[in-house]
Amino acid sequence: GAVVSQHPSWVICKSGTSVKIECRSLDFQATTMFWYRQFPKQSLMLMATSNEGSKATYEQGVEKDKFLINHASLTLSTLTVTSAHPEDSSFYICSAPTGVSYNEQFFGPGTRLTVL
Amino acid sequence: DAKTTQPNSMESNEEEPVHLPCNHSTISGTDYIHWYRQLPSQGPEYVIHGLTSNVNNRMASLAIAEDRKSSTLILHRATLRDAAVYYCILRPQGNTPLVFGKGTRLSVIA
Repeated sequence: GAVVSQHPSWVICKSGTSVKIECRSLDFQATTMFWYRQFPKQSLMLMATSNEGSKATYEQGVEKDKFLINHASLTLSTLTVTSAHPEDSSFYICSAPTGVSYNEQFFGPGTRLTVL
Repeated sequence: DAKTTQPNSMESNEEEPVHLPCNHSTISGTDYIHWYRQLPSQGPEYVIHGLTSNVNNRMASLAIAEDRKSSTLILHRATLRDAAVYYCILRPQGNTPLVFGKGTRLSVIA
């Protein structure tokens, strides 16, 4: 199947710093990518839809100025957590749909963010 | 979003079949039934999807009720590597996100 990678796989940062997470589709082009967040023992929560060449659309309650999304090419979307705080510590996962009628979504391995 | 209802957890013995149920009584005619699973500390993995007919692939089988108000994911022979959270998700065709519920945590006993 198609492959989606994320970098870094884990990151620890100090409160107040910004962290950039990359999501790449390695063997297919993705005009759309989705970003999710998952807290311990909870399900995935959709944060935003990243669209190549246009602005991301954010789910209700997700601060667009805090979670900056840039979809600069057909294979790369980035999520920047600005001025991170301990409550932003979470598992961040991206996905990209592909296949016939976009019926399959391929997920990255996730990025574990810990803010001290 | 159309909702699904799954048991919180299930347990299976290794090498035995597992039937994971999902109720989706408010499914619309254009909704596909998707199953994904998530192993610990990993991103979700596609398992199978279908619309009306039963589906088989190398990972599992999907049995869909005639009225489409429920479905069952069948793992024919559970292995320890199948221990994961299994999510049943309804999604219309097209470039739309998956909306995850709580899923079923499957434990496999050796």
